[in-house]
Amino acid sequence: DSGVTQTPKHLITATGQRVTLRCSPRSGDLSVYWYQQSLDQGLQFLIQYYNGEERAKGNILERFSAQQFPDLHSELNLSSLELGDSALYFCASSVVAVGSGANVLTFGAGSRLTVL
Amino acid sequence: AQSVTQPDIHITVSEGASLELRCNYSYGATPYLFWYVQSPGQGLQLLLKYFSGDTLVQGIKGFEAEFKRSQSSFNLRKPSVHWSDAAEYFCAVGAGYGGATNKLIFGTGTLLAVQP
Repeated sequence: DSGVTQTPKHLITATGQRVTLRCSPRSGDLSVYWYQQSLDQGLQFLIQYYNGEERAKGNILERFSAQQFPDLHSELNLSSLELGDSALYFCASSVVAVGSGANVLTFGAGSRLTVL
Repeated sequence: AQSVTQPDIHITVSEGASLELRCNYSYGATPYLFWYVQSPGQGLQLLLKYFSGDTLVQGIKGFEAEFKRSQSSFNLRKPSVHWSDAAEYFCAVGAGYGGATNKLIFGTGTLLAVQP
């Protein structure tokens, strides 16, 4: 157990629907990162939050949004789902926020989304 | 822009044989380098990291990696592979030194199969 908790583990939904993925970071970690893993795109960075504030955006679609709450858990919202959104979505957390690449990310087990 | 290249998509080795997984990075400053392993259905687990100092770093499960600045490489090695090492291995570079984020940029991964 890495200490990063992601729910749900598996999710099957239909095109056009909206889903929410949840992440609880390790105790003491203030940064949360979301990554998407698919066969054709590999591991793609989506977005980072630090202590409730957005810090960086990567290849995140406009249909996707995220937030980090005061208790530091984070949610990734995926809307108007398409078949191509089927992927494994990882959350990671770390203590370090900015200013250094010397930063170890701890990953959760992921949420597997299947869009039919 | 920062990037990571793992030239070998798939490698098969015999149990007990030595292993070397290749990783090349592109980064303008001093890189922070990582190797993560992903077992089937699992999240990513940190094997080892290089931040500074000794260019040969030791990790968990008997793995080591050597940072070679002149070759922009950070190859992962293990002297004797066990069947349980079968997994996908990802090299990553820490981006955003001095900036607003310290996300990790991942390579495309190398899938390791171990023959009995």
